[in-house]
Amino acid sequence: NAGVTQTPKFQVLKTGQSMTLQCAQDMNHNSMYWYRQDPGMGLRLIYYSASEGTTDKGEVPNGYNVSRLNKREFSLRLESAAPSQTSVYFCASSEQSGGYYGYTFGSGTRLTVV
Amino acid sequence: GIQVEQSPPDLILQEGANSTLRCNFSDSVNNLQWFHQNPWGQLINLFYIPSGTKQNGRLSATTVATERYSLLYISSSQTTDSGVYFCAAHRSGNTGKLIFGQGTTLQVKP
Repeated sequence: NAGVTQTPKFQVLKTGQSMTLQCAQDMNHNSMYWYRQDPGMGLRLIYYSASEGTTDKGEVPNGYNVSRLNKREFSLRLESAAPSQTSVYFCASSEQSGGYYGYTFGSGTRLTVV
Repeated sequence: GIQVEQSPPDLILQEGANSTLRCNFSDSVNNLQWFHQNPWGQLINLFYIPSGTKQNGRLSATTVATERYSLLYISSSQTTDSGVYFCAAHRSGNTGKLIFGQGTTLQVKP
């Protein structure tokens, strides 16, 4: 049981380049999320997908797009990378039972934009 | 939206000491969780605690929902407790969008 798998683990981009961060979960969770973590700022929600076929903006969506390809996969795309997007990106998924949401996080992607 | 604030921002302990981390939230929430991020960056869920008290080994947590705060207690700290502790919350019906606090960085010295 792999949980939440993110690829790649590390990436360096030049300003203006594009890339897609991949995320897949094997727990049959309905909801998936993309967060970014910057020093001293905790994790901030970029986009989320409550269920297959739906996506919505979080706290910091500008400069990003997402695709919920199927129930398992939720990708994050940077169309034109900027140095301000240098961060560690985490994908997560959650299950809901009553009011309880159980979250599982991937191991993160460390992105540097130069 | 809700705001989540944690204190202290940094904490240094000697091994064996006890500590209390605090989380204040600005609105009524029905999902308050504590996470530990280890020095390798992995986030692990510690507690789901919208109200009441829970214990897991040397760690325990208490949430007083009516007063909008939660406490995480670490007893007899060990070097493996080092890392960043986050609390996170969301409101009912908010499709699980967790809002995180800025974290408490804990260093336990041998």
